[in-house]
Amino acid sequence: KQEVTQIPAALSVPEGENLVLNCSFTDSAIYNLQWFRQDPGKGLTSLLLIQSSQREQTSGRLNASLDKSSGRSTLYIAASQPGDSATYLCAPDSGAGSYQLTFGKGTKLSVIP
Amino acid sequence: DTAVSQTPKYLVTQMGNDKSIKCEQNLGHDTMYWYKQDSKKFLKIMFSYNNKELIINETVPNRFSPKSPDKAHLNLHINSLELGDSAVYFCASSPHRARNEQFFGPGTRLTVL
Repeated sequence: KQEVTQIPAALSVPEGENLVLNCSFTDSAIYNLQWFRQDPGKGLTSLLLIQSSQREQTSGRLNASLDKSSGRSTLYIAASQPGDSATYLCAPDSGAGSYQLTFGKGTKLSVIP
Repeated sequence: DTAVSQTPKYLVTQMGNDKSIKCEQNLGHDTMYWYKQDSKKFLKIMFSYNNKELIINETVPNRFSPKSPDKAHLNLHINSLELGDSAVYFCASSPHRARNEQFFGPGTRLTVL
């Protein structure tokens, strides 16, 4: 059974700082891994999808890396802005035709102006 | 041009009632999902539905049943509602298995009194 841990649970940084969010998962037989953000009272917004054959994926100020063998992924946010404040969720797909994502509890990010 | 939509956004009902939540996606995706986010913000898969193949999370009570009238819709029916069913329910969809990026709806907040 896939289990996902995200560290830290909460993070507060000043505007402009670069930061790293960590995600670890127990079953390395994944098909892909997705990062989302969730704003309070809202749905999830997909940020990045990394296929199991990829090492990293970039979108604007976001860079996600994947080390499948060690069961780890990181989300790097460059030059953080107050608008980045949200909860960030990591979700590996457990593959094997399950189509299912397993979510961590998320990291709540606050970027202070 | 909403990609994944859900109705209603809020649902307040009495214990013991039967209710439905509707989900529609206009992305032409093959697979749809229902997730439950509890009061601790933990997001868990309930169902995935692909080409008439239903995969059920074994922890979901049989009071919950998904119904798919066509590929663009996956509705969630809940019988004999209990207090513990209070949560936010998210619908999601994804294209074919090779690229399993999931797109989420805005959520339905269900409150059982």
